[in-house]
Amino acid sequence: DAGITQSPRHKVTETGTPVTLRCHQTENHRYMYWYRQDPGHGLRLIHYSYGVKDTDKGEVSDGYSVSRSKTEDFLLTLESATSSQTSVYFCAISESMASGAPYEQYFGPGTRLTVT
Amino acid sequence: GQQVMQIPQYQHVQEGEDFTTYCNSSTTLSNIQWYKQRPGGHPVFLIQLVKSGEVKKQKRLTFQFGEAKKNSSLHITATQTTDVGTYFCAGAGTASKLTFGTGTRLQVTL
Repeated sequence: DAGITQSPRHKVTETGTPVTLRCHQTENHRYMYWYRQDPGHGLRLIHYSYGVKDTDKGEVSDGYSVSRSKTEDFLLTLESATSSQTSVYFCAISESMASGAPYEQYFGPGTRLTVT
Repeated sequence: GQQVMQIPQYQHVQEGEDFTTYCNSSTTLSNIQWYKQRPGGHPVFLIQLVKSGEVKKQKRLTFQFGEAKKNSSLHITATQTTDVGTYFCAGAGTASKLTFGTGTRLQVTL
């Protein structure tokens, strides 16, 4: 498996509290992604990064922010957690082709977040 | 935006039977990738198809990319219990991100 870790692996938090999830890679890959996985929805992209301090929104970015101050770390923040953000969150990394299309993505083990 | 649909959502087969999952995109894709996720695990990359009409095989798994580069399929011959999991297709447009299908969960019983 690629060198990707996520922390914490499990978290229970209350509605309205801020939460930060961390993704750390040792592969020096340029691209990093945050997805959420919910039953019936597959994997949906929240935000992604194409370099240090370079990020862009995915399809379900409302209520989430990200930061990437170092190549190896990509943080996902829920400013004020809501019950609808209860989910499993996966981080992924990849490189891209010259055309810009992505190569395969390597996923971290996931973080199970419950908002009560 | 780009949408990727995958059918069926769920399939239950007996060991030894064949299995096929289909993936359709609303837009033309630059490439399509397939992933497998075991229960409780994370998605793991299986294969990438880039060319129109491309067919690739990995042991009992056969992957196809449609001529129009808008659809794909994964066929498993003679399923085994080790094939259990959810299979996702993921389409790439021109940006460095993937749109995942909703997945097909495969259950295999003896």
